Amino acid sequence: AQKITQTQPGMFVQEKEAVTLDCTYDTSDPSYGLFWYKQPSSGEMIFLIYQGSYDQQNATEGRYSLNFQKARKSANLVISASQLGDSAMYFCAMRYHRDDKIIFGKGTRLHILP
Amino acid sequence: GAGVSQSPSNKVTEKGKDVELRCDPISGHTALYWYRQSLGQGLEFLIYFQGNSAPDKSGLPSDRFSAERTGESVSTLTIQRTQQEDSAVYLCASRPGGGNNSPLHFGNGTRLTVT
Repeated sequence: AQKITQTQPGMFVQEKEAVTLDCTYDTSDPSYGLFWYKQPSSGEMIFLIYQGSYDQQNATEGRYSLNFQKARKSANLVISASQLGDSAMYFCAMRYHRDDKIIFGKGTRLHILP
Repeated sequence: GAGVSQSPSNKVTEKGKDVELRCDPISGHTALYWYRQSLGQGLEFLIYFQGNSAPDKSGLPSDRFSAERTGESVSTLTIQRTQQEDSAVYLCASRPGGGNNSPLHFGNGTRLTVT
């Protein structure tokens, strides 16, 4: 079954610390893509980073990086030097290249403490 | 350029009434997705359109839910005989058809309240 699991419903992190948000997935397809989105309290969905299943290197975008472990089927988001503005819901999503369907995990609510 | 537009932004309806939600995707985006987000929860996949192919309706929760899209333009999500459990934010997103790494672009959603 195709499934995305985010095991941390909520996290509290001190400002300026690094934080890792967990994401595991289940698929039998060899070709897929993984996305992370941020949803602040305003409700908008902000795309953060993408990792393809065949990419040789872990994706990075500014303070965001993806710890992609294909054999373990995990794609954890790492935020370095966290800021108060990072407080939000974070969603992991997977796109199945075979049919282009995109499903989301239940999300992790991140709270950055001053 | 213009982003994904959804209307109405808010809808309050009485239980048992039908509602129609509209989504205008970004011009040129062949793929269009509908999701439902209950308060504080994740995004539940509802339906997906890709060009003129048959839509993937595997996420529609019941036969009260239906969606249409004409070509690569506007999509409407219809909920018949609304129930209180249908109350949620309905999000529409679009992306270009080609390119594995092109992300979803989301609209601001329609907040549906069934009283």
